Amino acid sequence: QSVLTQPPSVSGAPGQRVTISCTGNASNIGAGYDVHWYQQLPGTAPKLLIFNNHNRPSGVPDRFSASKSGTSASLAITGLQAADEADYYCHSYDSMLSDSVFGGGTKLTVL
Amino acid sequence: EVQLVESGGGLVQPGGSLRLSCAASGFMFSNYDMHWVRQGPGRGLEWVSGFGTADDSYYAVSVKGRFTISRDNAKNSLYLQMNSLRAGDTAVYYCARGLEGSSDDAFDIWGQGTMVTVSS
Repeated sequence: QSVLTQPPSVSGAPGQRVTISCTGNASNIGAGYDVHWYQQLPGTAPKLLIFNNHNRPSGVPDRFSASKSGTSASLAITGLQAADEADYYCHSYDSMLSDSVFGGGTKLTVL
Repeated sequence: EVQLVESGGGLVQPGGSLRLSCAASGFMFSNYDMHWVRQGPGRGLEWVSGFGTADDSYYAVSVKGRFTISRDNAKNSLYLQMNSLRAGDTAVYYCARGLEGSSDDAFDIWGQGTMVTVSS
C-alpha cells in the first residue's frame, strides 16, 4: 500500500480533460514537501512530467499542468491524445519515513 | 547527451548477491544526488536508495542492512550492492538523477533499467 494514494485508473476521450489526484498526509504533502509527476509509457522508463508542484521541464507540452493544496496534489491533462496513454505517478518526500515516496500509479486510458 | 546506463542485473538465487552499476555521461556527475528506484513486475515505483553529494546515503526500510549504495565520481558511476536477496526484490532497477539536491527532489533523468530476478 502506497503512502501517496492515486486512483488506479482514469479514462477520457480524445480532446477531453482528465485529472489524476494524489492524496497524502501531514508528514508528506501536507508538510510542505514538493510533489512531482512522472509519465511512464508502456515498456519504458519513467519520464519527469512536472516538478516542484507545477513546473514543466523543457519539452513537456502545456497540456500538462499540476497543482497542490493541503495534503493533496493533482495532475490535469487537456486535449487528450492517444499518445498520452500511460501510467502516471506522483512523488514526494515523507518526513516520518525519511523516505522518498511514490503514489501507486494511475493508468490513463484514452477511449 | 545526458544519459544514465544501468548494468549488472540478472538471475540470482534467494540469499544471493548482485552488484548493479550505473554509468553517467553528459553532465557533472559529482554535482548531483543519485538514486536507485525499482519497479516490481506489474507494480508501481519504489524508491530504494540515494547517495548525496556530501557522501551521505539513504535507504528504504525494505532494503536497509542488505543493500549498500556507493558512487565513484572519478568514474562517473553509481553502484548498488545487493546482498541477502529475496523474491520480493525482483524488479527492474532504475538509476535516477536528483534535480536539486534536496530531500524532496524530483528525479529528472532516468536510465533504461536493469532487471533483477531472485528465484531458485
